[in-house]
Amino acid sequence: GDSVTQMEGPVTLSEEAFLTINCTYTATGYPSLFWYVQYPGEGLQLLLKATKADDKGSNKGFEATYRKETTSFHLEKGSVQVSDSAVYFCALTSMFSGGYNKLIFGAGTRLAVHP
Amino acid sequence: DAGVIQSPRHEVTEMGQEVTLRCKPISGHDYLFWYRQTMMRGLELLIYFNNNVPIDDSGMPEDRFSAKMPNASFSTLKIQPSEPRDSAVYFCASSVGRGLTYEQYFGPGTRLTVT
Repeated sequence: GDSVTQMEGPVTLSEEAFLTINCTYTATGYPSLFWYVQYPGEGLQLLLKATKADDKGSNKGFEATYRKETTSFHLEKGSVQVSDSAVYFCALTSMFSGGYNKLIFGAGTRLAVHP
Repeated sequence: DAGVIQSPRHEVTEMGQEVTLRCKPISGHDYLFWYRQTMMRGLELLIYFNNNVPIDDSGMPEDRFSAKMPNASFSTLKIQPSEPRDSAVYFCASSVGRGLTYEQYFGPGTRLTVT
C-alpha cells in the first residue's frame, strides 16, 4: 500500500542554520504531497503542499519540490528560527474506490532549534 | 472561522469508565476524520465520514470504540469501557471536497489519560 518514510529525529540545529528533512514515498497513481507542522500542544496545520510532479510548495520560508523520479518531497529552509521548533509530518493523499481519499502520514520528525 | 473545535481538551478517567470526545468541524466541510496519536504508533486514522456517513472505519481498534456523526456540525468518538492503553491524543479534522488536493484542518486535540 501507499506509504511515507521520513528521516528520524530529533534534528537539532542552531538558529540561522540550513534545514533539510528528507521524505520519500511509495504510491500508486499520482498522489498530492503535503508537509504538516505540529507545534507543542497543538494540532497539525498545513505548512505547504504540491499536487503534481515538479511543483514546488512554499510557505513561511519553507520549500519542498515534488520529485516523481526520486519519489521524494524533501523539506528545506535556508535559515531556521527558534520558533520553527516543532514536529514536521510528510504526508500524501491516497485515493480509494469511489473517489474518496485519505492522508497517509510519515512518522514525524522533531526539530529543535537553539539560539 | 473558529476552526475545528474539540472538547474536552484534557480528560482523565479511570479504567472501565466511558469516555466521550466531541468535535465540531468547520462549517461547510463535508469530510470529518478522527485520528489517534501516540509515541509508539504515531498518527493513526481511526474513522472518517463523508456527509455524516461513515466511509472507512477500518482503523477503529476494537469494538470498544464507536463514532457517530448525527449532523454536519457534530461528531463524537466514544470509548466504552476505557483501558490504560487508550491513553493518547485524539484529533478531529475536517476537509471539503473529494479528490487528492484538499487539505485537512485539524483541531487542537483531546489528551486522554486512562488510569
